[in-house]
Amino acid sequence: DAGVIQSPRHEVTEMGQEVTLRCKPISGHNSLFWYRQTMMRGLELLIYFNNNVPIDDSGMPEDRFSAKMPNASFSTLKIQPSEPRDSAVYFCASSRGVETQYFGPGTRLLVL
Amino acid sequence: GENVEQHPSTLSVQEGDSAVIKCTYSDSASNYFPWYKQELGKGPQLIIDIRSNVGEKKDQRIAVTLNKTAKHFSLHITETQPEDSAVYFCAAPGGTSYGKLTFGQGTILTVHP
Repeated sequence: DAGVIQSPRHEVTEMGQEVTLRCKPISGHNSLFWYRQTMMRGLELLIYFNNNVPIDDSGMPEDRFSAKMPNASFSTLKIQPSEPRDSAVYFCASSRGVETQYFGPGTRLLVL
Repeated sequence: GENVEQHPSTLSVQEGDSAVIKCTYSDSASNYFPWYKQELGKGPQLIIDIRSNVGEKKDQRIAVTLNKTAKHFSLHITETQPEDSAVYFCAAPGGTSYGKLTFGQGTILTVHP
């Protein structure tokens, strides 16, 4: 299995620009999670989906953040407009129901 | 919701020594306790997990113990090696569905050769 795939792996952008992060979960997994990791705040759950439906988005920091899962094999996390404090590593993870979460390699985002 | 506390935040040991990382959780409905290892520049990877119907699980040099009464679980690494150096996270699901996990704050383990 290819594991969770994320793209891009690195993103450098300027403040105010739109950023779109992409995730392909493991085939057959029906839950998908978006996390943000920083030194100050650790690993934060932003939003998660089950069967393509958003279940809990209480971790999304602001209206500038949005996430979609149009089908079982693809999800996006969008930041518009981006700000320097959004700089972090963003992880996508997937699981089959209540079983183990498997993480992708992450997207390292730097907003200048 | 679930609250997970992890200690210590940093741990430094000599190669060959043992390392122990401890976590406590708050929601008695939690029934699954995974441990993840994160190496520099990579995503967290599951290294071992334990379910609430057992008190201990071992896999070569790593083991996890669970005390449901006290609501704490621990990761034990024996005969540590430099390649064990990483950040380790514990997690617990609480009473949620869909596989959501609450993670501890992480422990930076450094194994000195």
